[in-house]
Amino acid sequence: GNSVTQMEGPVTLSEEAFLTINCTYTATGYPSLFWYVQYPGEGLQLLLKATKADDKGSNKGFEATYRKETTSFHLEKGSVQVSDSAVYFCALRRAGANNLFFGTGTRLTVIP
Amino acid sequence: DAGITQSPRHKVTETGTPVTLRCHQTENHRYMYWYRQDPGHGLRLIHYSYGVKDTDKGEVSDGYSVSRSKTEDFLLTLESATSSQTSVYFCAITPELNTEAFFGQGTRLTVV
Repeated sequence: GNSVTQMEGPVTLSEEAFLTINCTYTATGYPSLFWYVQYPGEGLQLLLKATKADDKGSNKGFEATYRKETTSFHLEKGSVQVSDSAVYFCALRRAGANNLFFGTGTRLTVIP
Repeated sequence: DAGITQSPRHKVTETGTPVTLRCHQTENHRYMYWYRQDPGHGLRLIHYSYGVKDTDKGEVSDGYSVSRSKTEDFLLTLESATSSQTSVYFCAITPELNTEAFFGQGTRLTVV
């Protein structure tokens, strides 16, 4: 079946620290992979995506690389800001389908 | 922001009562989805629609029904609410297959 396993939180970092949130997946075929971000009181927003192996998605200083050999899509940012405090969700969409499978979410808090 | 409006934003209801949540979009997108978000589970798909009067079940559809009589509206109904349906409900839309999903701001439902 399809599933996403995401690093448990919460994660608390100081401003300018390096961020890694781990995500691994199980899926048949070649899924597309996504990171969504949810700011307090809001819906989910697409942060970045990758649609095939070795693709790197990037946005707002965040990056993630689609690693088929390790079935991973880890989220990284070199220097976090207080405004990055949010819940981050890893998700996959299997080829030919339209619905998303989500991980459990990781809450990130960045302190000044 | 994508033109998605969920109503109500918050609701408290009693066990056994019917509840209807509304998702309204102004984007004329073909596909609409209802997800629920629960701690430890991320988001899970309840039902989705691929056109007017065309709907299908997701992974957690028991106890829920949906209707889509117009492109812009997708209704989620709990025929007889239970405490296990206390959750945050998100509507999402996509224009076509394999395209970015846009999410509404969510409806927090509490069943007492």
